[in-house]
Amino acid sequence: KAGVTQTPRYLIKTRGQQVTLSCSPISGHRSVSWYQQTPGQGLQFLFEYFSETQRNKGNFPGRFSGRQFSNSRSEMNVSTLELGDSALYLCASSHEGYYEQYFGPGTRLTVT
Amino acid sequence: AQSVTQLDSQVPVFEEAPVELRCNYSSSVSVYLFWYVQYPNQGLQLLLKYLSGSTLVKGINGFEAEFNKSQTSFHLRKPSVHISDTAEYFCAVSPILTGGGNKLTFGTGTQLKVEL
Repeated sequence: KAGVTQTPRYLIKTRGQQVTLSCSPISGHRSVSWYQQTPGQGLQFLFEYFSETQRNKGNFPGRFSGRQFSNSRSEMNVSTLELGDSALYLCASSHEGYYEQYFGPGTRLTVT
Repeated sequence: AQSVTQLDSQVPVFEEAPVELRCNYSSSVSVYLFWYVQYPNQGLQLLLKYLSGSTLVKGINGFEAEFNKSQTSFHLRKPSVHISDTAEYFCAVSPILTGGGNKLTFGTGTQLKVEL
């Protein structure tokens, strides 16, 4: 089975712009979660989507949003980028009823 | 809310020596526990998990961990490390949510450096 894929792998944006990141889960996995990893704050949970609905949410401002499509692929969007949004954004998928999550390689976002 | 503490930010060890990476957690609800490993410029790979049952769990690459409920700990061990084990290791917990789903809380990570 193919693993979790994330596109793009690297991205450079300017402060104030918006960005969309994409995640394709492992085939058959309907739950997709997003995490932000920074040197200062570590790994933090953003949100989880299941069956096209946001099921769980972390403590991030409304500038961070996501969605999930009927094929379980997910996107996350960050609007009005700030320098502090520079991070590795990780997507993880899991099979419903199973609690282990499988992570993609991440998208490295740099905001200048 | 949950929190995870990994007391050691870096652990240097010689190849073929044993290693223990410590993890303590706190939570007001029951949780599942995980260890993940991250190699440079890569995502996270699941090493092992504790959901229920035997408190000693075995994972990939010869790693094992023991869940201690009274001490709220989940320490990771390997009897003999290899140079390829050099990586960052993260302990994580996920609360058992009434609505289902996942919401991992991670520790700050332990950098394991294996030396020849």
